[in-house]
Amino acid sequence: EVQLLESGGGLVQPGGSLRVSCAASGFTFSSYAMTWVRQAPGKGLEWVSTINNSGGRTYYADSVKGRFTISRDNSKNTLYLQMNSLRSEDTALYYCAKEIGTMGPNFDYWGQGTLVTVSS
Amino acid sequence: QSALTQPASVSGSPGQSITISCTGTSSDVGGYNYVSWYQQHPGKAPKLIIYDVSNRPSAASNRFSGSKSGNTASLTISGLQAEDEADYYCISYKGGSGYVFGTGTKVTVL
Repeated sequence: EVQLLESGGGLVQPGGSLRVSCAASGFTFSSYAMTWVRQAPGKGLEWVSTINNSGGRTYYADSVKGRFTISRDNSKNTLYLQMNSLRSEDTALYYCAKEIGTMGPNFDYWGQGTLVTVSS
Repeated sequence: QSALTQPASVSGSPGQSITISCTGTSSDVGGYNYVSWYQQHPGKAPKLIIYDVSNRPSAASNRFSGSKSGNTASLTISGLQAEDEADYYCISYKGGSGYVFGTGTKVTVL
């Protein structure tokens, strides 16, 4: 059974940093691209970042470029999102999602999310 | 990166068909056949229901169908059921810039 378990969310002050993780199981993690999607309270979905299966290619939304870094450790089956220079508008539930293996934004499994709150 | 435009809400009676539009530009929806649709019930993670404009995953109901014309993609739900009441989001590939979601549509079953 495919499982994605996010962790590391919490309360952080504006300008601070936080790293969230996503532990994957039930599939060959190193074979699939992975993505972070966030959802601010009561708002819609926003694509944040994607990393290819090897970790050699990364993509970011303009809203986080230069502040967030996506990475993965295929030996630990874990996806990461390092978030620096956090702003109040980064407050959201952060989901990790597995891509199905074809081109395009096709995410077949999602975690339940980890909540990041940026506030003083 | 401007979000794709969706109607805020769509409603229909049980058994009816409804269509949700998703309008972008030639740089996203119109430029690639990589548009997907997600269903999200309150408090739950999104679920993939259509990918590559019109393909349906095996776990998705065959009452969902997708299409595209120019810069606008569409999701049709036929034989509307109470369980279809949820939020729906489109998302498109933007070439080297990654992906962009739509603004989301709340479907209400009357």
